[in-house]
Amino acid sequence: DIQVTQSPSSLSASVGDRVTITCRASQSIGTYFNWYQQKPGKAPNLLISAASTLQSGVPSRFRGSGSGTDFSLTISSLQPEDFATYYCLQSYSTPLTFGGGTKVEIK
Amino acid sequence: QVQLQESGPGLVKPSQTLSLTCTVSGGSITSGDYYWSWIRQHPGKGLEWIGYIHYSGNTFYTPSLKSRVTISRDTSQNQFSLKLTSVTVADTAVYYCARGLGPEAKPDYWGQGTLVAVSS
Repeated sequence: DIQVTQSPSSLSASVGDRVTITCRASQSIGTYFNWYQQKPGKAPNLLISAASTLQSGVPSRFRGSGSGTDFSLTISSLQPEDFATYYCLQSYSTPLTFGGGTKVEIK
Repeated sequence: QVQLQESGPGLVKPSQTLSLTCTVSGGSITSGDYYWSWIRQHPGKGLEWIGYIHYSGNTFYTPSLKSRVTISRDTSQNQFSLKLTSVTVADTAVYYCARGLGPEAKPDYWGQGTLVAVSS
């Protein structure tokens, strides 16, 4: 199985801050990489697929980058509705594996 | 737009079988290159991918659960189901059904999730 290590596990930030979350895959996976946002009590929502493709309706302040083993999600200017938990997912091979999550909290 | 809805018991006794059904609307589970998937989330924890049934009927299960999991479908009802046998308290989780978008099976549409507690 491909392991995905996500960091940090949590962070505190203020509205307007630039925030970056990183994930590392245990082997090279090209750009078969995805990012999800999950709010309390809700199902995850797909934000970015193929490492950098923004899903329809997702604000442009979200940016995904990376390839191979190292990936990142950057929120350029954190908004109140962005406080949530973010998960990365490798879709290069089954079983699909998620990162451990990053909880973005209000400072 | 496709919608998914999980249903099933919210409480299962240890050693018994957990059974959940996902009803899909807005699209057929037998068309398109989709992987109809189950994912779970232990309370306060991260996400664990369980497996899928492909529109073709092929299945794949995560190795750690493979001996206990079966994913099947009822095409007449446009539903797919999860069975997990010999459950323990460690199987207590929110279970999500989701549509996986081919060819990578990455989940794009999710159900709202259903909490299943394993307790005597």
